[in-house]
Amino acid sequence: DAMVIQNPRYQVTQFGKPVTLSCSQTLNHNVMYWYQQKSSQAPKLLFHYYDKDFNNEADTPDNFQSRRPNTSFCFLDIRSPGLGDAAMYLCATSRDLATGGYEQYFGPGTRLTVT
Amino acid sequence: LAKTTQPISMDSYEGQEVNITCSHNNIATNDYITWYQQFPSQGPRFIIQGYKTKVTNEVASLFIPADRKSSTLSLPRVSLSDTAVYYCLVVDSGGYQKVTFGTGTKLQVIP
Repeated sequence: DAMVIQNPRYQVTQFGKPVTLSCSQTLNHNVMYWYQQKSSQAPKLLFHYYDKDFNNEADTPDNFQSRRPNTSFCFLDIRSPGLGDAAMYLCATSRDLATGGYEQYFGPGTRLTVT
Repeated sequence: LAKTTQPISMDSYEGQEVNITCSHNNIATNDYITWYQQFPSQGPRFIIQGYKTKVTNEVASLFIPADRKSSTLSLPRVSLSDTAVYYCLVVDSGGYQKVTFGTGTKLQVIP
């Protein structure tokens, strides 16, 4: 089945040690998103790619970076994780709205623990 | 982006119809309304979307009045497995889905 896959599902990293989370999709969608969701809170958009165009949310810390080497893959890099970065990180995809893409397809998420 | 306001939580007994209302007073002409369901430790799942009037699919109905300043998600005959957080989102139709998740409504279905 076509889907959004996130690896790993659980990631433990040390304070200040760079970490990379990955997302892949088989839907061939041109838009990919990264969200951060802390416990008991709503998902918060960090940034998204529209094809190769990167769009950063204004309040996303510089500590968070992203790469999209091709349509299928997108990576979230946290350069120096702090304790406050512990959260569930959700990847999502969609078609653009011009082709009727009103639905975002979410992956299962990666739960990041910072020790 | 239009801000959305929903009740923080709702309880319902199994078998009842549940209506969750969302307020989006600043919705723009080209914006669409979508609803998502999220279970613990899972990504949100799309339920339904609409622009105006009524939309129905196999799991829910969405009612949107003419002024579009609110919308109501209706879940018929809920079961325990419908216990989840439900998010109302307004989708900016400007090319991609720049959305802001509101607080969501935590629905607890009681046996």
